[in-house]
Amino acid sequence: QVQLVQSGAEVEKPGASVKISCKASGYTFTSYHMHWVRQAPGQGLEWMGIINPKNGATTYAQPLRGRVTMTRDTSTSTLYMELSSLRSEDTALYYCVKDSSHWSFDYWGQGTLLTVSS
Amino acid sequence: QSALTQPASVSGSPGQSITISCTGTSSDIGAYNHVSWYQQHPGKAPKFMIYGVNNRPSGVSNRFSGSKSGNTASLTISGLQAEDEADYYCSSYTGSNTWAFGGGTKVTVL
Repeated sequence: QVQLVQSGAEVEKPGASVKISCKASGYTFTSYHMHWVRQAPGQGLEWMGIINPKNGATTYAQPLRGRVTMTRDTSTSTLYMELSSLRSEDTALYYCVKDSSHWSFDYWGQGTLLTVSS
Repeated sequence: QSALTQPASVSGSPGQSITISCTGTSSDIGAYNHVSWYQQHPGKAPKFMIYGVNNRPSGVSNRFSGSKSGNTASLTISGLQAEDEADYYCSSYTGSNTWAFGGGTKVTVL
């Protein structure tokens, strides 16, 4: 069965960077694009970007371009999402999400809580 | 990418049908049949409910159905049950390998 297991909660100061991981299993890692989606406390879902695990190609949401970097390690079937120049508004639950091949999101990780606070 | 517009809340009694709208533009919902819907219970990750406007993934109850007209997509829940009380989010492909979500709708079962 598909499993997406994310790294643990993080607490960072404003201006710092954070790197969250997501280890995939139960399917062929390079066959499906992967997304990152975040959810601020009590708020809705925000699409952050997509990565093609086969070749590493990425597309980021316009508001995050320049601050977000998505990478992958095919040897360990692990995705990474790095966010820099952190601000309080980046406090959120971050999800890695598998693409369904139908322009939608079928499997979600458990989420990683990032808290940005001085 | 622009967010899609959903009503903040919708309610209904058990057994009734409710419909949640999701309004976009001619550049997203109106341009593509790539609308999907997600159910989220408190403290849980979203669950995949509908894709391609009106297709249900395996295991999703047939009480959930989707449709689209112009720039607006809709999710209908028929035979409303207590377990359907949750937040619901629509999403659409918006071109150029980007996606957007709606702001979410809280469904209350009276």
